[in-house]
Amino acid sequence: AQTVTQSQPEMSVQEAETVTLSCTYDTSESDYYLFWYKQPPSRQMILVIRQEAYKQQNATENRFSVNFQKAAKSFSLKISDSQLGDAAMYFCAWGTSGSRLTFGEGTQLTVNP
Amino acid sequence: DVKVTQSSRYLVKRTGEKVFLECVQDMDHENMFWYRQDPGLGLRLIYFSYDVKMKEKGDIPEGYSVSREKKERFSLILESASTNQTSMYLCASSLTRGLNYGYTFGSGTRLTVV
Repeated sequence: AQTVTQSQPEMSVQEAETVTLSCTYDTSESDYYLFWYKQPPSRQMILVIRQEAYKQQNATENRFSVNFQKAAKSFSLKISDSQLGDAAMYFCAWGTSGSRLTFGEGTQLTVNP
Repeated sequence: DVKVTQSSRYLVKRTGEKVFLECVQDMDHENMFWYRQDPGLGLRLIYFSYDVKMKEKGDIPEGYSVSREKKERFSLILESASTNQTSMYLCASSLTRGLNYGYTFGSGTRLTVV
């Protein structure tokens, strides 16, 4: 079975600083997708960023970027210039075309003013 | 914008009751999913559906069933609610069988079984 592991249950960062959230996954597939979702206190899950495994270039969305290491099966999320609104639960997810998403345990991010 | 609506934000039910959690999406998505979210366990898939009247078991289907009579509606049913089913339930939908754009989620139903 495919698994996704987020080894950091909680992280904290000072406002305007940079933080990196870790995610590893286990699969024998070669073509798949990876996602980071954000869940603020409102509970609405928001897609932050996605990466297609066949693309070597790391995805970037404004202050959010990923470090995708396919051989190491690692997919970390870097948040630059952290803002108070970034405080949320972050979930890493994996899936292949035609299948469902498998999620990690989540990392609770606190942003300190 | 695609919208996924879950009928209740909070729900309190008694042990043994039959509970219906409703989810409706408004953008003609083929795929719909029910996840359960618990602290430290992330999101776990209960059931999913790729088409009307079609359903497949996820990782933790025991104690649950689903119904999809119309494309836009996917219902999760707890036949006889138990306290260990107290949790946050998230519904999601996606446009195609591919995962190019991930899922769109509802805002969740926090169910308490007493």
